[in-house]
Amino acid sequence: GIQVEQSPPDLILQEGANSTLRCNFSDSVNNLQWFHQNPWGQLINLFYIPSGTKQNGRLSATTVATERYSLLYISSSQTTDSGVYFCAVEIKPSNTGKLIFGQGTTLQVKP
Amino acid sequence: DSGVTQTPKHLITATGQRVTLRCSPRSGDLSVYWYQQSLDQGLQFLIQYYNGEERAKGNILERFSAQQFPDLHSELNLSSLELGDSALYFCASSGGDSETQYFGPGTRLLVL
Repeated sequence: GIQVEQSPPDLILQEGANSTLRCNFSDSVNNLQWFHQNPWGQLINLFYIPSGTKQNGRLSATTVATERYSLLYISSSQTTDSGVYFCAVEIKPSNTGKLIFGQGTTLQVKP
Repeated sequence: DSGVTQTPKHLITATGQRVTLRCSPRSGDLSVYWYQQSLDQGLQFLIQYYNGEERAKGNILERFSAQQFPDLHSELNLSSLELGDSALYFCASSGGDSETQYFGPGTRLLVL
């Protein structure tokens, strides 16, 4: 089956630092989403990005579908960015929206 | 707030029991998905419904079942509960396939 691998598994930053999280996937995808799971367990949708580049404030994401990877950039990190970041994909061909999740990157931002 | 609601937020029950988790999708969304998050398995897709019909099945145990009602809310039924069923259960909704999925706050189930 499809493999979704995220790196690094853990990341510790000082407040104000920048970071790049990576998601590699083994097959062509219809859908790719990035999520942030906060310390209370809530999964927050960050980006829907099967291809191309998007930006939302201090966050941006790029997916290069032909090379099967996606990157999430966090700039000027804040303590509220702490939590687990998940990449999830829907494989081709698919007539469902079934998402396959990576194992996540746990981010800790220190003040 | 994603617009997806789930009840209850927390559930504590005993082995062998049966529970029902409820999900209301975002207004207008026809697809509902159920996912399970556990420490050992991570986040796994369980089942999808689209406009009342089962659309896709994932790693859902036979002891688990789900349905989507005419008003589009969905219920996940877990029976003959085991300790290993303790997990965070998420519901998500989308307008259709290959669209953004929005997740509810989850139901945290603890089986004692």
